Amino acid sequence: AQTVTQSQPEMSVREAETVTLSCTYDTSESDYYLFWYKQPPSRQMILVIRQEAYKQQNATENRFSVNFQKAAKSFSLKISDSQLGDAAMYFCAYRGLTQGGSEKLVFGKGTKLTVNP
Amino acid sequence: DAGITQSPRHKVTETGTPVTLRCHQTENHRYMYWYRQDPGHGLRLIHYSYGVKDTDKGEVSDGYSVSRSKTEDFLLTLESATSSQTSVYFCATWTGRSSYNEQFFGPGTRLTVL
Repeated sequence: AQTVTQSQPEMSVREAETVTLSCTYDTSESDYYLFWYKQPPSRQMILVIRQEAYKQQNATENRFSVNFQKAAKSFSLKISDSQLGDAAMYFCAYRGLTQGGSEKLVFGKGTKLTVNP
Repeated sequence: DAGITQSPRHKVTETGTPVTLRCHQTENHRYMYWYRQDPGHGLRLIHYSYGVKDTDKGEVSDGYSVSRSKTEDFLLTLESATSSQTSVYFCATWTGRSSYNEQFFGPGTRLTVL
């Protein structure tokens, strides 16, 4: 079974600085998707960024980028120029592409990010 | 947000009472999911559905049942609520494999079992 590990329960960053959140996963599949979701205090789950495993190029979305290391099964999220609105829980998630029940997201336990003025 | 609504948004109930949470979607997505979120555990899958009347268990399905009689509605039932089922419950939908591949989430239901 696939597992997702976020080893940092909490992180903090100063406004305008850069922070990196870690995520590792375990899978025997060769093709899959990885996601980072943001959950602010409103509880709404918001997709931040996605990465297809077959793509070597790291995904970017404005201030958010990933460092995807397929061989190491690592998928870290970098937030540049941090803003107060980035404060939230961040969840790493995995979706496999094989048939037979893998159409599910497997989540890590989350990292709480605090942004200090 | 793919037009996902959950009802109720908040509920307080007593141990031993039955509870049903409703998820409604307007986008005709094939897959629907129920997760629970607890501190230190992230989101854990309870049950999911891959079509009308087609459901399967997730990792924390004990004490829960689901039904999907229409594409747009996915019900989660706690037959006899226990304090360990106090949690925030999220419904989610997925279109199935596509280039977009995003799973959409509802706003969540906070359930307290006293």
